[in-house]
Amino acid sequence: QVHLQESGPGLVKPSGTLSVTCAVSGGSITSSNWWSWVRQTPGQGLEWIGEIYHSGSLKYNPSLESRVTISVDKSTNQISLKLTSVTAADTAVYYCARVGTMFGLPMDVWGQGTTVTVSS
Amino acid sequence: EVVLTQSPTTLSLSPGERATLSCRASQSENMYLYLAWYQQKPGQAPRLLIYETSNRAAGVPVRFSGSGSGTDFTLTISRLEPEDFAVYYCQQRSSRAPLTFGGGTKVEIK
Repeated sequence: QVHLQESGPGLVKPSGTLSVTCAVSGGSITSSNWWSWVRQTPGQGLEWIGEIYHSGSLKYNPSLESRVTISVDKSTNQISLKLTSVTAADTAVYYCARVGTMFGLPMDVWGQGTTVTVSS
Repeated sequence: EVVLTQSPTTLSLSPGERATLSCRASQSENMYLYLAWYQQKPGQAPRLLIYETSNRAAGVPVRFSGSGSGTDFTLTISRLEPEDFAVYYCQQRSSRAPLTFGGGTKVEIK
């Protein structure tokens, strides 16, 4: 059973860079799955950030694309998210999720999420 | 961008009652939407319930069902169990627009 575990800094200063990692266990990151990042701001709904395939293929949300980098590390079975020039609006719970291979490509396995607060 | 509007925002029902949740997409012209539903409980990550409009994910009870087409989609919980009180989100994936989620419907105990 695939398990995802996010880890992050907890606190990031405004204008800094947010870096979050997702460790994949119980399965390989080189499987036939895309891997997504989703965030949830306090009191708000869910926002898709982007996703990556192990080959390096990427899809980003246009609203965040200029500030986002998603990467995959096959040697450690991890996915990473970097978000630059952060503001308080980037305070959120950041989730990684596996994109299933069924029709519609829903996110079928989620990590527990890591909370990142942007504050000085 | 495809905007998903969920209604109602809050649904107050008693255990055993039927819940009907709506998700309306802002556009579907020349675009096929793959629609999924997720359940989220406080302090937990979302959990996939339904994919491709009407297919239950593994382990999801049969009381959960999805339907719809075009721009109008519905999640139905036939008889609410105590563990079903949660927030439900719809999500679309299409070939021509970024993935988006609806704003959520909270199903609360009346």
